[in-house]
Amino acid sequence: GENVEQHPSTLSVQEGDSAVIKCTYSDSASNYFPWYKQELGKRPQLIIDIRSNVGEKKDQRIAVTLNKTAKHFSLHITETQPEDSAVYFCAASIRGTGRRALTFGSGTRLQVQP
Amino acid sequence: AAGVIQSPRHLIKEKRETATLKCYPIPRHDTVYWYQQGPGQDPQFLISFYEKMQSDKGSIPDRFSAQQFSDYHSELNMSSLELGDSALYFCASSIRDREAFFGQGTRLTVV
Repeated sequence: GENVEQHPSTLSVQEGDSAVIKCTYSDSASNYFPWYKQELGKRPQLIIDIRSNVGEKKDQRIAVTLNKTAKHFSLHITETQPEDSAVYFCAASIRGTGRRALTFGSGTRLQVQP
Repeated sequence: AAGVIQSPRHLIKEKRETATLKCYPIPRHDTVYWYQQGPGQDPQFLISFYEKMQSDKGSIPDRFSAQQFSDYHSELNMSSLELGDSALYFCASSIRDREAFFGQGTRLTVV
């Protein structure tokens, strides 16, 4: 099955700096890569996603890049704010089949220092 | 907008008891997923349903079972509970291949 590796496990940045979180996946059939933000004790919330026919997607301060050849995708957050502090999970799945469930990475705890 | 509703929000059970968790997906969503998240862990996929049929199975123990009913709500039944079953249980729903939205979760504590 799919295996998603995520790093770093913790990331501390100063407010206004950029943060980058990286993930790799193992199943070349995976074609959908969402990123979720989870605050303590709360539900994972989708913040951005990318499909395999696109190399990059941006939404305000958040961007995601995908390198299908290397099976690698990254989350970029610019101009970080204290409210960005949370655990971020990358995930992968295969859309268009019955195997649509998400395989999550192990998470990155982002701390934005004011 | 309507979200995924899970009940109960909190549940305390003793070892060897049974528990039933309920999930009401977003209206018109045809797919339901169940995930288990231990403390400090990533969500682990348990099982999913598409149009009331089981569509995929993950790391769901044999002691657990689930089903999706005609009104699309789903229930996760957990028997012979163990201390290690203590976790947050999330249900998520989607329309086929579109993005999945998570419910607020059920926190199960087994004592």
